Amino acid sequence: EIVMTQSPATLSVSPGERATLSCRASQSVSSNLAWYQQKPGQAPRLLIYGASTRATGFPARFSGSGSGTEFTLTISSLQSEDFAVYYCQQYNNWPLTFGGGTKVEIK
Amino acid sequence: EVQLLESGGGLVQPEGSLRLSCAASGFTFSSCVMSWVRQAPGKGLEWVSGISGSGGSTYYADSVKGRFTISRDNSKNTLYLQMNRLRAEDTAVYYCAKPRNSGWIDAFDIWGQGTMVTVSS
Repeated sequence: EIVMTQSPATLSVSPGERATLSCRASQSVSSNLAWYQQKPGQAPRLLIYGASTRATGFPARFSGSGSGTEFTLTISSLQSEDFAVYYCQQYNNWPLTFGGGTKVEIK
Repeated sequence: EVQLLESGGGLVQPEGSLRLSCAASGFTFSSCVMSWVRQAPGKGLEWVSGISGSGGSTYYADSVKGRFTISRDNSKNTLYLQMNRLRAEDTAVYYCAKPRNSGWIDAFDIWGQGTMVTVSS
């Protein structure tokens, strides 16, 4: 099983600042890496797939990078609606696995 | 509109059984590798199980292997999760999820609203 490790667990950021979230895989997942955004009481929403392609409906301030085992999600200038929990997920191999999540909270 | 609608959750005693359903609409269900993902209260996401479009191949997380069975009825556009020998740690919201592209595993672009399963005496 591929273990996905996200850091930090919590990120305190002021609106307008940049946020950088990390995700590490225990073995290579190529570019088969997704990021999801989840707000309280809602289902997760696909944010990034293929490690760097933004899903429909998300603005350009969200960007993903990386391949192999190291991945990064960057939010260039945090808006109020961006405060949420973000999960990475590998879909390179069964079983599919998620990281533990990073909560982005208001500083 | 592409939609997934879960049902079947509820309160069940430890060692009990429950069957979840996920009704799909708006896409070619029989072509899609479908999955169940769960989220315990206040915790992160955990992939539970997946099934090929034909139903011929199934995949499970170690935490549920031997207790849960995934299946599908393509004539009814419905995905199922039969959960037996339930434990307190199975308490979670259960989501069904659809991949971006049919045919193989991919990122989940569509999620249901979830159904809550509570295992407690």
